[in-house]
Amino acid sequence: DTEVTQTPKHLVMGMTNKKSLKCEQHMGHRAMYWYKQKAKKPPELMFVYSYEKLSINESVPSRFSPECPNSSLLNLHLHALQPEDSALYLCASSQDLAGIGTEAFFGQGTRLTVV
Amino acid sequence: AQSVTQLDSQVPVFEEAPVELRCNYSSSVSVYLFWYVQYPNQGLQLLLKYLSGSTLVKGINGFEAEFNKSQTSFHLRKPSVHISDTAEYFCAVRNRGGTSYGKLTFGQGTILTVHP
Repeated sequence: DTEVTQTPKHLVMGMTNKKSLKCEQHMGHRAMYWYKQKAKKPPELMFVYSYEKLSINESVPSRFSPECPNSSLLNLHLHALQPEDSALYLCASSQDLAGIGTEAFFGQGTRLTVV
Repeated sequence: AQSVTQLDSQVPVFEEAPVELRCNYSSSVSVYLFWYVQYPNQGLQLLLKYLSGSTLVKGINGFEAEFNKSQTSFHLRKPSVHISDTAEYFCAVRNRGGTSYGKLTFGQGTILTVHP
């Protein structure tokens, strides 16, 4: 099983809503990532978790709040978003941050629209 | 910090022709290198990776890439493309250590369009 599963696939939310994106992997990977991808742009790193601890926060606004409840799950809690936050949100996992297990596997993404 | 430059934003090519997508990187430490492919409205799929060892790496769908340390390049090649290869291709780099450890950084992407 080399899958990273993201739910939901599509999400439309108002600027006052609170919602969560979910990501799950069962490959035994210990590093998990959130990326944001705007149209016609490359993925931009938001957060990295390593061994369930937040390792990297790329100065992401506090309206995005990541959570790693266990080694298989990664959530992204959303609150008071702006229309410019509309994007494809990609989750990824890798065996580790370095070494032979450093390749990242990506989910299919959640297409988020903020209205 | 590391960075990646993909030299061509768009590459049009005819079916069964060879193609090369160019990628140069910059880093103060040794790196791991990757190529990913993204089809419309989908996630990224790993095509191939360079971690160590042989500088010529082979990936899925007939793609290969060569790591050139002196030129800090990792160009992607395919000897004969198919219509189904039409997609966006991203080169990515991860530092082996030092600053930015753990970050996987992407180039701007190259849109490959294969014409019949």
